Amino acid sequence: AQSVTQLDSQVPVFEEAPVELRCNYSSSVSVYLFWYVQYPNQGLQLLLKYLSGSTLVKGINGFEAEFNKSQTSFHLRKPSVHISDTAEYFCAVSLFSGGYNKLIFGAGTRLAVHP
Amino acid sequence: KAGVTQTPRYLIKTRGQQVTLSCSPISGHRSVSWYQQTPGQGLQFLFEYFSETQRNKGNFPGRFSGRQFSNSRSEMNVSTLELGDSALYLCASSSGETSANEQFFGPGTRLTVL
Repeated sequence: AQSVTQLDSQVPVFEEAPVELRCNYSSSVSVYLFWYVQYPNQGLQLLLKYLSGSTLVKGINGFEAEFNKSQTSFHLRKPSVHISDTAEYFCAVSLFSGGYNKLIFGAGTRLAVHP
Repeated sequence: KAGVTQTPRYLIKTRGQQVTLSCSPISGHRSVSWYQQTPGQGLQFLFEYFSETQRNKGNFPGRFSGRQFSNSRSEMNVSTLELGDSALYLCASSSGETSANEQFFGPGTRLTVL
């Protein structure tokens, strides 16, 4: 069975500092990997996804993530955060085949950016 | 294109009642998935519909059901509501051909069971 572990439930950081949100997954088959962001009282918005190819994936709002197959990780990074990045971030996996649109989510990481 | 819409946005029910939530996908999308989000369990997959057929189902009791209409709009129903059903219910749509397709989420329906 697939599972996703987000190692930090909360990450406080000062504005303009770099941040890394960690995500590890377990799966016996190939998966697609996603990062979503959820702002208060809103649905989820896709930040970026890894399907294949280059292991460094760039997304919206200056975020990027690196797929590491040997460590089964897909950590999200941003070199300089803004107050507006305060939100909850979810890592998710989807089966390469047969899983269609069933996303398995991690528990989420709440990013709090302080001035 | 208009985004995914969900109605109602907020709902208050009492134990034992039933509820129906509605989701209108992005035009042209044939897949609609439903998720339950709670502080304790996080985001959990309920089911997915594609071209009016349930294609995937999560680990929820039979009180949770859904359907999809020919115009791809979807409804989910929860019968005999329990306090633990209080949650944000999110609907997501995609073109549905492969699991690589991006899912676009609606704002959710917040259900409170008293």
